[in-house]
Amino acid sequence: GAVVSQHPSRVICKSGTSVKIECRSLDFQATTMFWYRQFPKQSLMLMATSNEGSKATYEQGVEKDKFLINHASLTLSTLTVTSAHPEDSSFYICSARENEESPLHFGNGTRLTVT
Amino acid sequence: DAKTTQPTSMDCAEGRAANLPCNHSTISGNEYVYWYRQIHSQGPQYIIHGLKNNETNEMASLIITEDRKSSTLILPHATLRDTAVYYCIVRPPIYNQGGKLIFGQGTELSVKP
Repeated sequence: GAVVSQHPSRVICKSGTSVKIECRSLDFQATTMFWYRQFPKQSLMLMATSNEGSKATYEQGVEKDKFLINHASLTLSTLTVTSAHPEDSSFYICSARENEESPLHFGNGTRLTVT
Repeated sequence: DAKTTQPTSMDCAEGRAANLPCNHSTISGNEYVYWYRQIHSQGPQYIIHGLKNNETNEMASLIITEDRKSSTLILPHATLRDTAVYYCIVRPPIYNQGGKLIFGQGTELSVKP
């Protein structure tokens, strides 16, 4: 089955620093990937749609300059949280699909803690 | 986007069938019904999806009413490992917003021994 891998699974960083999260589709190519964020006891919130070779499309209320998304290849998208603050602490999850008819498959998430 | 309504929580006895309902009365003709589940601290896991017909795979069955306004996910023999939050999602067609998935609150299923 389609496998999506995220790295790192956990990261702790100091306030003001930047953190990069990688999302890879291991056994398929993904022209589109999606980035979600989940706070404790809440549902997943879509942050942005990452398109290979073009700019990401951000959901309303998500700061594009704070959450930088790069989708440079068909198997890799990265999310960089810039100048992280404690309120950015959350569970970040990416997803990808092989083609338009395929279901989205999700990574196992990255738990970010900003101290 | 078509909204879905699910019960907040449900219990099920181990070994029995778990029937999880979902209402999506505003669904459009070209929107699919998707089901995912999320075990604590993991990414969501795809279960099944359908358009009009009932679907079955190794994990579950999906029953969609004829008017498509509701559906039921059936786990035929629930185990303790099926304890999770189950999300019913109506997915727009790809040409509409890339077919992105918007998650609601889901149903927290507890399978009890």
